[in-house]
Amino acid sequence: RKEVEQDPGPFNVPEGATVAFNCTYSNSASQSFFWYRQDCRKEPKLLMSVYSSGNEDGRFTAQLNRASQYISLLIRDSKLSDSATYLCVVNVPSNQFYFGTGTSLTVIP
Amino acid sequence: DAGVTQSPTHLIKTRGQHVTLRCSPISGHKSVSWYQQVLGQGPQFIFQYYEKEERGRGNFPDRFSARQFPNYSSELNVNALLLGDSALYLCASRGEGYNYEQYFGPGTRLTVT
Repeated sequence: RKEVEQDPGPFNVPEGATVAFNCTYSNSASQSFFWYRQDCRKEPKLLMSVYSSGNEDGRFTAQLNRASQYISLLIRDSKLSDSATYLCVVNVPSNQFYFGTGTSLTVIP
Repeated sequence: DAGVTQSPTHLIKTRGQHVTLRCSPISGHKSVSWYQQVLGQGPQFIFQYYEKEERGRGNFPDRFSARQFPNYSSELNVNALLLGDSALYLCASRGEGYNYEQYFGPGTRLTVT
C-alpha cells in the first residue's frame, strides 16, 4: 500500500468554481502535512502547511482528519492561474517525506 | 536572500557512468533532502541530511549516496547509471522548528542514454 494516495484527476473546472482535493495517508504516526503546487517542469512550491485545527489562506483552505487519515485542500473562486498539479506531502517519524502522485487541475475560462 | 540553488541544470550521461549533483540550501538552513521525480509521479524521497549526518533514507539502491558539507551544501552521487535513473532530481532545504516546511530548488534534469 502506498504511503500517500491522491486522485490524479485531471480536474477541469470553470473559472470561479470551487474544487476540492483529498489525500489519504497510511502511517498513523505521521507528524506533519503539507500541500505543494507544481507547475509544468518546475519545482514544487509550498502552498500551505496543514494543521489539525484546519487553516485558511485566502481562497485556500486545508484540513486534516487524523482519525480517518486524510487531508484535504479546498480552492474557492478558481482562477486561471490556479492551473497546476497539487501534491500532498506527509512527514513520518523516520524523517522521511512522502509525496502523493499529484492531482492535476485545469481552470477553464 | 537566495533560495535553494542546484547545479547543473541539465545533464546527459550514458549508462554505466556516474554523476554528481550539487545543492546549496537557503542561508541558515541546516537540513537538506534529495528527491527523484520521474514524469507523471510525485517526488520520491532519497536522503535527508542534517548537520552533516544522514537522518533519513528512502528506498533507493546503494548506487545512490550523498553527503553534506560543513557549509550545509550537499552532493548527491549516483553510480553505474541506468536508463531508469533519468529524472528530475530535486533538493529541498528546511529550517529549524517543528513544522518541517521544505523549500525546493529548481532541480537537475538528468537524462541517461
